[in-house]
Amino acid sequence: DSGVTQTPKHLITATGQRVTLRCSPRSGDLSVYWYQQSLDQGLQFLIQYYNGEERAKGNILERFSAQQFPDLHSELNLSSLELGDSALYFCASSLRPTVTYEQYFGPGTRLTVT
Amino acid sequence: AQSVTQLGSHVSVSEGALVLLRCNYSSSVPPYLFWYVQYPNQGLQLLLKYTSAATLVKGINGFEAEFKKSETSFHLTKPSAHMSDAAEYFCAVSEVAGGTSYGKLTFGQGTILTVHP
Repeated sequence: DSGVTQTPKHLITATGQRVTLRCSPRSGDLSVYWYQQSLDQGLQFLIQYYNGEERAKGNILERFSAQQFPDLHSELNLSSLELGDSALYFCASSLRPTVTYEQYFGPGTRLTVT
Repeated sequence: AQSVTQLGSHVSVSEGALVLLRCNYSSSVPPYLFWYVQYPNQGLQLLLKYTSAATLVKGINGFEAEFKKSETSFHLTKPSAHMSDAAEYFCAVSEVAGGTSYGKLTFGQGTILTVHP
């Protein structure tokens, strides 16, 4: 158990819908990362937050947005869903937002868009 | 831009045999390199990381990796495979650019390791 929790574990929804994925980082960690794992694209970095502020952006679609709240939990919002958005979404957390601090991964949320 | 290539999407070994998973990287600056393992239906777990200290890095579960700058490689090895090593393994790179490291990881495509009795 990494100490990072993600809810829900599974999510099935229809095209065009909007969903919210939630992540609670390990106790004490200030930085949160979101990654997407799909068969087509592999594991890709989406976005990073540190202490409530966006710090780095990767291959995140405009239909996707995220935020980190004052209690440090983070939410990833996916809207106007398409079939291709079906993937495993991981959240990771680290003490600080630099590479020298290990990232701890949650178990992921499996999103299926039908 | 940084990138990672893992040679071989599937590797199969017998229990007790040497495990060798290959990773080559491309980076314009000295990289930080990582190996992660993913067991079925679980998140990723860090096995080991290279951060420009010793070129031979020892990790958990008996794994180690050697950073070879001349070959731009960071191959993962284990002398003797165990059934519990069956999983998917990811090589990843992170750059320090302009004095700033954001920690974001760029992953390879993964290698599924199968261990036969």
